[in-house]
Amino acid sequence: GAVVSQHPSWVICKSGTSVKIECRSLDFQATTMFWYRQFPKQSLMLMATSNEGSKATYEQGVEKDKFLINHASLTLSTLTVTSAHPEDSSFYICSAPHSFPRGTDTQYFGPGTRLTVL
Amino acid sequence: SQELEQSPQSLIVQEGKNLTINCTSSKTLYGLYWYKQKYGEGLIFLMMLQKGGEEKSHEKITAKLDEKKQQSSLHITASQPSHAGIYLCGADMFIHSGAGSYQLTFGKGTKLSVIP
Repeated sequence: GAVVSQHPSWVICKSGTSVKIECRSLDFQATTMFWYRQFPKQSLMLMATSNEGSKATYEQGVEKDKFLINHASLTLSTLTVTSAHPEDSSFYICSAPHSFPRGTDTQYFGPGTRLTVL
Repeated sequence: SQELEQSPQSLIVQEGKNLTINCTSSKTLYGLYWYKQKYGEGLIFLMMLQKGGEEKSHEKITAKLDEKKQQSSLHITASQPSHAGIYLCGADMFIHSGAGSYQLTFGKGTKLSVIP
């Protein structure tokens, strides 16, 4: 079945550095990918919609200069957390919808990336 | 194997009818989340349940987590076309490997269509 991968699965960085997280659709093309953030024991919160070939759409309250999204190809979207601070520590998950014939649409989730900023 | 089973996979109801979607796990759930997704859009958070027997409501949508914390049901009363979409349950499931002790896992979703 369709698979979405994320890299890295976990990362620890120093405050002030930038971290790039990759999201790949492995056997299907995704013109759209979604980035979510999950705080401990809380729900996923949609951060932004990544669109191939155009600018990402950010949800209200998400700093676009802080969380840079680049959807360079039909199988790859990247999220860069710039000048990371401890409050950016979180679990970041991407997902990609895969449209099947007959109009069905299934969302495939990556395994997530746990970011810890020291 | 699928750790979270959702049923039914799809559902077509007449406007005004009630419906229920179930989410079942063989393991204890430490946090159960319900989301809704409209075609081409990201997930929208509906509710989170943590305690056995807990029940929450949001407008005409009610979700409950059973006492054993292994099954949750989402109930929609007097459905409307605006309720149409894909409903996903997600849960924090305890694992022994990976980046942390808990991993967010999703069901496959239930596609709901509401006929006017």
